[in-house]
Amino acid sequence: EAQVTQNPRYLITVTGKKLTVTCSQNMNHEYMSWYRQDPGLGLRQIYYSMNVEVTDKGDVPEGYKVSRKEKRNFPLILESPSPNQTSLYFCASSLSNPSNNSPLHFGNGTRLTVT
Amino acid sequence: AQSVSQHNHHVILSEAASLELGCNYSYGGTVNLFWYVQYPGQHLQLLLKYFSEDPLVKGIKGFEAEFIKSKFSFNLRKPSVQWSDTAEYFCAVSFLGGYQKVTFGTGTKLQVIP
Repeated sequence: EAQVTQNPRYLITVTGKKLTVTCSQNMNHEYMSWYRQDPGLGLRQIYYSMNVEVTDKGDVPEGYKVSRKEKRNFPLILESPSPNQTSLYFCASSLSNPSNNSPLHFGNGTRLTVT
Repeated sequence: AQSVSQHNHHVILSEAASLELGCNYSYGGTVNLFWYVQYPGQHLQLLLKYFSEDPLVKGIKGFEAEFIKSKFSFNLRKPSVQWSDTAEYFCAVSFLGGYQKVTFGTGTKLQVIP
């Protein structure tokens, strides 16, 4: 089944403790992206990647890192999480550049709470 | 910077009522337009997308959207809503020209009362 898989679904952590949220897609998609969803703000893009070893900042990259060492995986790293990073996170992928009208396929989300 | 506006934040309708959700974007060039739906506790799913010269787009579950270029709008419509349409709806835009980004609106929560 074609899907985007994120883990974990729920995560509670403390300020400053490094964490990684994994994302994997099995559709051979070139484009991958991370979003955070907050009430009243919709989805805001954190980072995106057009291909292996090619990543770029979205609208809210501060406090996050990503890597794209393999085409299928795009982990999101919080080196020193803070409470303002408490949010619902979605990984998404698309076949090609979204400018080419390629729709996004989303993972099931990771609800992160930082205390 | 590109932006997307959804003016209705929360809409409450009775079953069988007609639905129209507004979406406006801020870019004058060639655009790709999408509506995504997020059912309670689930991830976003594509509802429909505009990709051709035909301004009226048909999507899944009886939804449709009309692209009006002169008004920079892509409003979502459904003639008769069902309780199962209760969800949050997001308009999204990407722009031709190599800019590798999808910008989302803030979402509209639709509550359908049986």
